[in-house]
Amino acid sequence: GAGVSQSPSNKVTEKGKDVELRCDPISGHTALYWYRQSLGQGLEFLIYFQGNSAPDKSGLPSDRFSAERTGGSVSTLTIQRTQQEDSAVYLCASSFGLVGTDTQYFGPGTRLTVL
Amino acid sequence: AQSVTQPDIHITVSEGASLELRCNYSYGATPYLFWYVQSPGQGLQLLLKYFSGDTLVQGIKGFEAEFKRSQSSFNLRKPSVHWSDAAEYFCAVGGQAGTALIFGKGTTLSVSS
Repeated sequence: GAGVSQSPSNKVTEKGKDVELRCDPISGHTALYWYRQSLGQGLEFLIYFQGNSAPDKSGLPSDRFSAERTGGSVSTLTIQRTQQEDSAVYLCASSFGLVGTDTQYFGPGTRLTVL
Repeated sequence: AQSVTQPDIHITVSEGASLELRCNYSYGATPYLFWYVQSPGQGLQLLLKYFSGDTLVQGIKGFEAEFKRSQSSFNLRKPSVHWSDAAEYFCAVGGQAGTALIFGKGTTLSVSS
């Protein structure tokens, strides 16, 4: 079946604007994760969902970041009042469950550039 | 603290030569270990994973990795590198249910002809 998809693939925005990033997980996967990949920084975990619930939001960098998931499927990551330091690739992953042995499958990412 | 260290930021290997990418981890529980590869402009693709059992695991594209608990290592190897292997490689550790993977900062592999 189809893999994890993300949209848009690229987003250029002006400082101070809000952006929404979308993730469509693999069908049937109950767990969904958001990561941020900055140049030279590796992957930074942001938030995960089990179903529609996000038990731990402590990975979100600031209160300008929020995420939701509806219907146990699509998730959106919203960044309000974007700053230049928000520029990064935002990766979404999904897994069948939350057990540690459940492999996370990654989407191609959204490259966000804040001017 | 839980962490993954990939000591080599950038490695250059000649095509046809062998490759070993190092990964060391610190994890408080039973570790589940992963290697992912990321080609330019692409997402992460799983190469292989270790959960339990045989400490030498085989993956896709001719890669293998060996789990050494005494050294807290999970090094990735390939006997003969191809130019198409040029990419960034990430080691990751997980294990506790409901937690995300912890990634290393990655090793960029360049392949020279």
